[in-house]
Amino acid sequence: EAGVAQSPRYKIIEKRQSVAFWCNPISGHATLYWYQQILGQGPKLLIQFQNNGVVDDSQLPKDRFSAERLKGVDSTLKIQPAKLEDSAVYLCASSWGSGGDTQYFGPGTRLTVL
Amino acid sequence: DQQVKQNSPSLSVQEGRISILNCDYTNSMFDYFLWYKKYPAEGPTFLISISSIKDKNEDGRFTVFLNKSAKHLSLHIVPSQPGDSAVYFCAASDGGGTSYGKLTFGQGTILTVHP
Repeated sequence: EAGVAQSPRYKIIEKRQSVAFWCNPISGHATLYWYQQILGQGPKLLIQFQNNGVVDDSQLPKDRFSAERLKGVDSTLKIQPAKLEDSAVYLCASSWGSGGDTQYFGPGTRLTVL
Repeated sequence: DQQVKQNSPSLSVQEGRISILNCDYTNSMFDYFLWYKKYPAEGPTFLISISSIKDKNEDGRFTVFLNKSAKHLSLHIVPSQPGDSAVYFCAASDGGGTSYGKLTFGQGTILTVHP
């Protein structure tokens, strides 16, 4: 079974530029999550999708971050414009459902904002 | 507001000995707890979980203990192996109550197992 795929693996941009990350979850998984992991901290949930609907985006900085999950499969996370403090690893995870279902993580995208 | 805390940034143990990683939480609504392991340049991998109706769950060399009254859980690895060297994250959720199973993670503990 293929795992969660993410691209790109690394991205370096200058502040005020835009960037987008892509995630392909495990086939059949209804729930998709985007996490932000800043160096030295644990992952923090940015947004959670159930199929193609948003169920939690309470910690997403909506003035600069946006995410979509078209057709309930792939997802993209965009930052526009980026700030220095957005430097982090962005992790995508998926699970069969929500609740206590195990979340499977992708390898992440390491973003550096200069 | 750090609802899940791992107060030890790092732990070093000898191969074959026991590793004990600790985690404290403050939110009494949490009723499901997990441990994830993370190697460099990889995403976190699920290791073991425990529901609040239990106080112990075992899977091979890994055992998680939950003390609800103290809002504390721990992960025991016996015996420790060099391949266990990784960052370990504790996570908690309310099991899909009002938060749809949202996970809150601790800061992580770096475990190093020396041969």
